[in-house]
Amino acid sequence: AQSVSQHNHHVILSEAASLELGCNYSYGGTVNLFWYVQYPGQHLQLLLKYFSGDPLVKGIKGFEAEFIKSKFSFNLRKPSVQWSDTAEYFCAVNLISSGSARQLTFGSGTQLTVLP
Amino acid sequence: NAGVTQTPKFQVLKTGQSMTLQCAQDMNHEYMSWYRQDPGMGLRLIHYSVGAGITDQGEVPNGYNVSRSTTEDFPLRLLSAAPSQTSVYFCASSRLAGYYEQYFGPGTRLTVT
Repeated sequence: AQSVSQHNHHVILSEAASLELGCNYSYGGTVNLFWYVQYPGQHLQLLLKYFSGDPLVKGIKGFEAEFIKSKFSFNLRKPSVQWSDTAEYFCAVNLISSGSARQLTFGSGTQLTVLP
Repeated sequence: NAGVTQTPKFQVLKTGQSMTLQCAQDMNHEYMSWYRQDPGMGLRLIHYSVGAGITDQGEVPNGYNVSRSTTEDFPLRLLSAAPSQTSVYFCASSRLAGYYEQYFGPGTRLTVT
C-alpha cells in the first residue's frame, strides 16, 4: 500500500524565515501530488497540486513545491513566512496507475507555527 | 453555491449508540469521500463513492456504513459507536477521483463516551 511521510511534525519559525516542509511517498508508479492547508478551526484547502509537466509548481499565497521523481519527494517551500501561515500542512498522494486510483493518501501533517 | 456541507458540527454519543453524519454537495461532483482526522495520523479514508449507487471501502472502514442514493448526498452511519471512533470527520467531494482537488466540508467533531 502507498504511504506518505511527513517527517517534520512541528516546525516553529520567525516571520520572514524561509520554509521547507518535507514530503516523501512510497510508491514508484504514476502519482498526482497535493498539498493542503488547514488553518486553525477551518477545513482543508488546496495549496497546490502537481499532475504532470514542470516539476516546480506554484500555489496560492506564495507557496511552491518541487516534485523530484528520483527521490519520491514533493517538498513544500515558501521564501518568507508570515504569521498568517500558522496552520497544519498536509501532503497527499493519489496513485493513478493502479486499481487504487480512487484513494487519496494523506501524510500525518506538519504543524507550522510562525512567531511574530 | 454552498460547496460541501456537513451536519452536525459537534456530537456526543454514548458507547453503543448509532447515528448518521450528513454530507451534501451542490457542485455535481461524482466523487465523494469520508475521512477521519486524528492527532498525529493525518486524514484516513473511511469510505468513498464514485457515483450514485457505487461505494467502496477505504483504509479504515470498520464500524461505518455508507450509501449513495443521490449525487448530492453521502451520509456516514456509525452502527454502534465506540470510544475509538472519537475523531473529527470530514466529508469531501471532487470531480473525477484523483485528478481534481477535493473540496472539504467544515467537519464534525464526534466524541464517544
